[in-house]
Amino acid sequence: DAGVIQSPRHEVTEMGQEVTLRCKPISGHDYLFWYRQTMMRGLELLIYFNNNVPIDDSGMPEDRFSAKMPNASFSTLKIQPSEPRDSAVYFCASSFMGQGNYEQYFGPGTRLTVT
Amino acid sequence: GQSLEQPSEVTAVEGAIVQINCTYQTSGFYGLSWYQQHDGGAPTFLSYNALDGLEETGRFSSFLSRSDSYGYLLLQELQMKDSASYFCAVRALLGGSQGNLIFGKGTKLSVKP
Repeated sequence: DAGVIQSPRHEVTEMGQEVTLRCKPISGHDYLFWYRQTMMRGLELLIYFNNNVPIDDSGMPEDRFSAKMPNASFSTLKIQPSEPRDSAVYFCASSFMGQGNYEQYFGPGTRLTVT
Repeated sequence: GQSLEQPSEVTAVEGAIVQINCTYQTSGFYGLSWYQQHDGGAPTFLSYNALDGLEETGRFSSFLSRSDSYGYLLLQELQMKDSASYFCAVRALLGGSQGNLIFGKGTKLSVKP
């Protein structure tokens, strides 16, 4: 398996623009997670899905952030409008509940810079 | 609320043994995981403890004491490539689902020659 795939790997955009991050989880995994990582705040869970259904979005910073999972093999995280404080590395991860160790597999991340 | 505490930085020399501690406070605890992250990379899974005791995987071992809400990661025969950040993460019941992880802030391990 190719692992979790994220695109783009790097994104530089201007404040006010819309940003869409994409994720393809590992086939067969039933959980998908979106994280944000910064030096100041560490690794923060934004939202996670179980069988394509959003379970907990309490980590989403504000209404500017939205996430969708239209099918088992694709998810998006959208920021509209973007702000400089959104600059961070965004990770997508997936896992399979049937796995005894509940390991989460992380994608390579998208480094977002908002100027 | 949910919280995890781990040291922010640890320094050790090549060949030594280092222990990274993690204390947690959470409800609906199911298990403790450890992840490694090299600079510029993604977190990768190291270990998971659901029951009390020591789990060994090569040079790395992880320990859990549920009664003390405490765990640690033990790295033996340190190598330069072990320089990375190490995160403890608690699997907790949140939002009606057991699949979620809560991550600590991470411990940056520097291995010196």
